[in-house]
Amino acid sequence: GAVVSQHPSRVICKSGTSVKIECRSLDFQATTMFWYRQFPKQSLMLMATSNEGSKATYEQGVEKDKFLINHASLTLSTLTVTSAHPEDSSFYICSATPGDQETQYFGPGTRLLVL
Amino acid sequence: GDSVTQMEGPVTLSEEAFLTINCTYTATGYPSLFWYVQYPGEGLQLLLKATKADDKGSNKGFEATYRKETTSFHLEKGSVQVSDSAVYFCALRDSSYKLIFGSGTRLLVRP
Repeated sequence: GAVVSQHPSRVICKSGTSVKIECRSLDFQATTMFWYRQFPKQSLMLMATSNEGSKATYEQGVEKDKFLINHASLTLSTLTVTSAHPEDSSFYICSATPGDQETQYFGPGTRLLVL
Repeated sequence: GDSVTQMEGPVTLSEEAFLTINCTYTATGYPSLFWYVQYPGEGLQLLLKATKADDKGSNKGFEATYRKETTSFHLEKGSVQVSDSAVYFCALRDSSYKLIFGSGTRLLVRP
């Protein structure tokens, strides 16, 4: 089946620094990638949808200048949390779809802890 | 807006017990419905889906039926195994192809 990887799996950073999370589709070309955030014992919340070569579409309430998304190729999307603060600590999950948007393939997630 | 509600966990069962995880939804129109499973340290995997009323999705012994009249999509399995221990997410896909998830239910199966 289709595989999506994320790197890093876990990151700890100091408040005020920026953190980049990578999402890769390993064996298919992903025309669309999604970024989700999951708080403990809560649902996955969609943050943004990114299409290769175009600007990401952010969900209401998600700061686009805070969460920078780049989808530079058909196999890679990055999420950069800029000037991270403790309230940004969360589990970030990406997913990718090969084009028909019928099925999303999920990465294993990245746990971010901001001290 | 659209939403999904599923039973809180954890659900703890003995091996070979019957499993039901309740899921209800609120949506405009007729969304597609999904169950995803997340094993420890892995990404979410699609378990089964149903795209219209009265459809039954099934996979690996799990089943769920799309019930429009009760807006439900309960997950069932007749005999669980230890290897079924995981977190299960119910989700709907809205008209713009976005997935909306429930909060997840952790299942723990004891030998």
